[in-house]
Formats: sequence, C-alpha cells, structure tokens
Amino acid sequence: AQSVTQLDSQVPVFEEAPVELRCNYSSSVSVYLFWYVQYPNQGLQLLLKYLSGSTLVKGINGFEAEFNKSQTSFHLRKPSVHISDTAEYFCAVRDSNYQLIWGAGTKLIIKP
Amino acid sequence: DADVTQTPRNRITKTGKRIMLECSQTKGHDRMYWYRQDPGLGLRLIYYSFDVKDINKGEISDGYSVSRQAQAKFSLSLESAIPNQTALYFCATSGNSYEQYFGPGTRLTVT
Repeated sequence: AQSVTQLDSQVPVFEEAPVELRCNYSSSVSVYLFWYVQYPNQGLQLLLKYLSGSTLVKGINGFEAEFNKSQTSFHLRKPSVHISDTAEYFCAVRDSNYQLIWGAGTKLIIKP
Repeated sequence: DADVTQTPRNRITKTGKRIMLECSQTKGHDRMYWYRQDPGLGLRLIYYSFDVKDINKGEISDGYSVSRQAQAKFSLSLESAIPNQTALYFCATSGNSYEQYFGPGTRLTVT
C-alpha cells in the first residue's frame, strides 16, 4: 500500500531564509508525487508534480522539489521565503485507481 | 468564475439533523471526490465517483452518503449529523491524470 509521511507538522523560518519541507513516501506502483499548498481559508492548489523525467521539479512561486528514488523522498525547497508563503503544504503520492494518498501536512510559519 | 464550487461555505447544524453539501464543476472532469480535513490528519477520502453510475466508498464513508446527479454535480449528505463530523469538507475533481482540482471548502460545525 502507498503512504506518505511529512515528519514536520510545523516549520518556523525567518523571512528571506531558505526552507525545506520534508516528504517521504512508500509506493508499490509507478511513482507520481505532488505538492499542494493551502493558503488560509482557501482550498488546495497544485504547487508542483513529478510524473517522470528530470528529478528536479520546479513549481509556482519559486518552489522546487527533488525526487530521490533511493531515499524515497520528495522534499520541497525554496531559497528565500516571503511572508506570503505562510500556508499549509501537503505532499501526496498516487495510489492505484486514480486516487491520491495524502500526508498530514506541514504548516510553514514565516517569522518577520 | 471558479472551476469547482461548493455550497454552502459555512454551516452550523445541530446533532441529528440531515445536511447536504453540494459540489459543482465546470472543468468537464469525470472523476469527483469528497474529502474531510481535520487538523493534523491531512485529507481523508470519504467517497469518490468516476462517472455518474460509479460511486465508491473511501476510507471514512460511515455516516455519509453521496449522490452523483450529473457529470458536473456531486453531493455529500450527512444523514444524522454528529459532533465528530465537525470538519472542513472539500470537493475535488480530476481528468485523465492524477492531478486534482479543489473547491474552496465547506466549514461544517455540528453542535
């Protein structure tokens, strides 16, 4: 069965500092991985996805993630965060039958 | 206009009442999903539908039912609401890929 682990429930970081949000997965099918962002009082929107090809994936708002098959990880990074990046971030892996399996989420807290 | 809409956006109801949450989409997608979100638990799948005649239970379907009235409409019902169904509910759609598109959510409080 597929699963996703986001080890950090909250990550505080100073504005303009770099950030990494961690995601580890297990999967018995071809790996498709996703990061979604949920801004306060909004629904989820796709940040980036890995389906195949280059292991470094670039997304919206300056975020990127690297697929590491040997470490079964898909960590999300941004070199310099802004106050507007305050949100909850969810990692997901595809299951069979067009479903996604979701991590518990990581709240990114930007300190001024 | 939003591609996936949910009504109502907020609802407070009493224990034992029946309530329906509605979802509509203009993306032309066949696949639709209902999730609930609770703090620290991420998203949990309640029901999903791959077309009008195909309804499937997710991991937490007990206490819920759904209706797929048309390709564009997928409703979630709580037959007899209880306080532990207080949560944020999301509808999502997907096409011929695994990427899902979400509505803005319905915040439900059961007192």
